[in-house]
Amino acid sequence: RKEVEQDPGPFNVPEGATVAFNCTYSNSASQSFFWYRQDCRKEPKLLMSVYSSGNEDGRFTAQLNRASQYISLLIRDSKLSDSATYLCVVNPTSGTYKYIFGTGTRLKVLA
Amino acid sequence: DAGITQSPRHKVTETGTPVTLRCHQTENHRYMYWYRQDPGHGLRLIHYSYGVKDTDKGEVSDGYSVSRSKTEDFLLTLESATSSQTSVYFCANRQAGTYEQYFGPGTRLTVT
Repeated sequence: RKEVEQDPGPFNVPEGATVAFNCTYSNSASQSFFWYRQDCRKEPKLLMSVYSSGNEDGRFTAQLNRASQYISLLIRDSKLSDSATYLCVVNPTSGTYKYIFGTGTRLKVLA
Repeated sequence: DAGITQSPRHKVTETGTPVTLRCHQTENHRYMYWYRQDPGHGLRLIHYSYGVKDTDKGEVSDGYSVSRSKTEDFLLTLESATSSQTSVYFCANRQAGTYEQYFGPGTRLTVT
């Protein structure tokens, strides 16, 4: 089992739709979780950090389910500009150098 | 904003030649990282630094070395480039006491 797994997609959704991605992790002791957005041929950009049960920022909500070992990212009212790859990142032991990156979920928002 | 620049942004080199990639940060963040990104893989850590002259290996460090003589600069050297090192290389930094990493724009390296 991979340490961090994501559905590669693509998720094709119409503008205005709500879409959710899940990311599963294998290390039950993991403490810190992050969602990054990566546009084609660009660097990953931090979207959201998750340290407790969840976090919300505008149209974006991240939730952590420790019992089932996954984090989710919910995007409401999708915009064309949300089209990107979303990377899930897990820091198994907070404060160490080790960050485990998922391979990303690709989202396409269609007009 | 990471305040990170990477140079060069693109490079084509021949097998067997040494290559140095530069990462420069405008902040004085303690931690700096070098990753490579390849299709089908998440970003993989090559080397990281936790201070000036303090570096350690990541999971894919073979064939790479690093140096950090100043807080703001973190250099990655491919000692003798191979075609398997064709990749996109990202530098990242992290402020002490926080866990968020911020990435530079990347260097696209092709080894022919």
